[in-house]
Amino acid sequence: EDQVTQSPEALRLQEGESSSLNCSYTVSGLRGLFWYRQDPGKGPEFLFTLYSAGEEKEKERLKATLTKKESFLHITAPKPEDSATYLCAVQANTGRRALTFGSGTRLQVQP
Amino acid sequence: DVKVTQSSRYLVKRTGEKVFLECVQDMDHENMFWYRQDPGLGLRLIYFSYDVKMKEKGDIPEGYSVSREKKERFSLILESASTNQTSMYLCASSISWTGELFFGEGSRLTVL
Repeated sequence: EDQVTQSPEALRLQEGESSSLNCSYTVSGLRGLFWYRQDPGKGPEFLFTLYSAGEEKEKERLKATLTKKESFLHITAPKPEDSATYLCAVQANTGRRALTFGSGTRLQVQP
Repeated sequence: DVKVTQSSRYLVKRTGEKVFLECVQDMDHENMFWYRQDPGLGLRLIYFSYDVKMKEKGDIPEGYSVSREKKERFSLILESASTNQTSMYLCASSISWTGELFFGEGSRLTVL
């Protein structure tokens, strides 16, 4: 059974204070790992796809990295508008292709 | 832009009622999904469909059924609502199995 564990559950940062969110996963064979952002009262919005260990993707202040067991979402010099819940999900390359999500990290960036 | 529209943002129903949650996407996506989201549990897959009239159970299908009569529409049905089905329900669609899902804004269901 595929599993995704995210930590911490919640994180409060000051504006400009860089940090990282963790996503640990177990999957029979990884087809892809995905990061989503979810604002309160809205559906998740796709951010990144990572396919293999060592791969990195960047978007503005966010950078996602992948190893064989975990992924990190690094947030550099965050701003209040980066406040959201960040969700990680995995997709297996055999059997069911639907995504398995973690429970998310709720990020609050204070001005 | 892809748009996934869920028919109701907020619903309040009574125990035992039949509930329909409708979802429509406008980008001709093959795959459609229903998830529920609960605090601390994340998104859990209820059902998904990879083609018209095709459906597969997800992780928590008990108490739910689905219908996909047209490619753009995927309905979630609670045959007899119970209080433990109070939740946020999220519909999503994707082109094939890319893993990039497009979500609707969610339907918050309260069962009294």
